Order: sequence, then structure tokens, then C-alpha cells
Amino acid sequence: AQTVTQSQPEMSVQEAETVTLSCTYDTSESDYYLFWYKQPPSRQMILVIRQEAYKQQNATENRFSVNFQKAAKSFSLKISDSQLGDAAMYFCAYRSITQGNYKLTFGKGTLLTVNP
Amino acid sequence: EAGVAQSPRYKIIEKRQSVAFWCNPISGHATLYWYQQILGQGPKLLIQFQNNGVVDDSQLPKDRFSAERLKGVDSTLKIQPAKLEDSAVYLCASSWKGLVQETQYFGPGTRLLVL
Repeated sequence: AQTVTQSQPEMSVQEAETVTLSCTYDTSESDYYLFWYKQPPSRQMILVIRQEAYKQQNATENRFSVNFQKAAKSFSLKISDSQLGDAAMYFCAYRSITQGNYKLTFGKGTLLTVNP
Repeated sequence: EAGVAQSPRYKIIEKRQSVAFWCNPISGHATLYWYQQILGQGPKLLIQFQNNGVVDDSQLPKDRFSAERLKGVDSTLKIQPAKLEDSAVYLCASSWKGLVQETQYFGPGTRLLVL
């Protein structure tokens, strides 16, 4: 079974600065998807960014980018030019591509605080 | 486009009582998921539907939890009888076809407190 570990329960960053959230995972599969989800205090979880394991190029979405190290099974999220609206719980998630077993396995999350 | 709708938003019950949650996915989405999110943890999948059929219910405590999606659209999740450890946020999500690369869209969740 796959596991996802987020070793930073809480992080804080000053507005306009850069912060990196860590995620490691354990799997025996060679192909899979990785995701970062954001859950603001209102509780509606939204997708931030996704990475296909077979792609060597790191995914980017505006101010959000990932550092995907497949051999190290590491998948960190970098938020540049942090904004107050980035404050939320961030979850790293793994998704197998095994047919019929596409469930998301989440880490425990990292609570990000953005200081003005 | 309307998002995933859930009701109620909050529910407080006593242990051994029953409770039901409702979810209406995004229109046209064939795949529906129910997750349980205990405080301080990430969501855990309880059950996944593809249209009105169950794809995965391996982590659903079937002695007390049940779920249905009779017409392949909205869904209900029931707990009977509830235990203290069922206190959690219950999240519903949907996706278009359930493909591995698809985005799952989450609802606001139902926060359950069992006393």
C-alpha cells in the first residue's frame, strides 16, 4: 500500500516571500500521479497542481511549482510571492494508475500561515 | 458551473443514533467519492461510485456505514449506529469519468460531532 508523509505539520511565511512544503511517498509502482490540494478554512478542497510520474519536467501553475525527485520519492511544493489568500492546509496526495484503483491517498497535511 | 453540494453542513448527534449525509455532484460527473477526514489527518476514501455502481468500498466500515447512489446522480451516506470515533468531516467529491489524471472536485463537507 502506498503511504504519503508530510513532515511539516505547520509552516509560516511572510507575504511576498517564498515557501517550500515537503512531501515524501512510498510506492513500488513506476507510474502514478501526484497532487497538491489546498484546503482553506472554509473546507472546500481545491487542486493546486498535479505531476505525472513519467514526466521528468516539473509542473508549474503560476506561482506554484513542484520539485519532483522520483528516485528519492520526493514531491515538494514551492509557493512564490506568497499572498494572504495562500493561507490554508495543504495536502500532498498520491494516485495509483492501477486499473480500477484510482483512489487518492493523502498525507496528514501542512498548515501554512502567511504573515502580512 | 455549480460545484459539489453537500448537506447538512453541520450535525451533532449522540452515540448510537443514526445520521445521513447527502451529496449532489457536478452535473455530468460519473464518478462520486465519499471521504472521511478526522481532525488532524488527511481525507481517507470510504467509497467510490462509478455511475450507480460501487468501484471501491474497501475502507468502508460496513457494519455501520452504508452508501447508495441509486440513479447515478446524487448520493447518501448513512451511519447507524454512530460511535464517538465517527466524529469527522465527511467530504464528497466528483470527477467526470474517474480517470486517473482527472481533477476531483470537492464539496464543502459535513462536519459531524458524535457526543
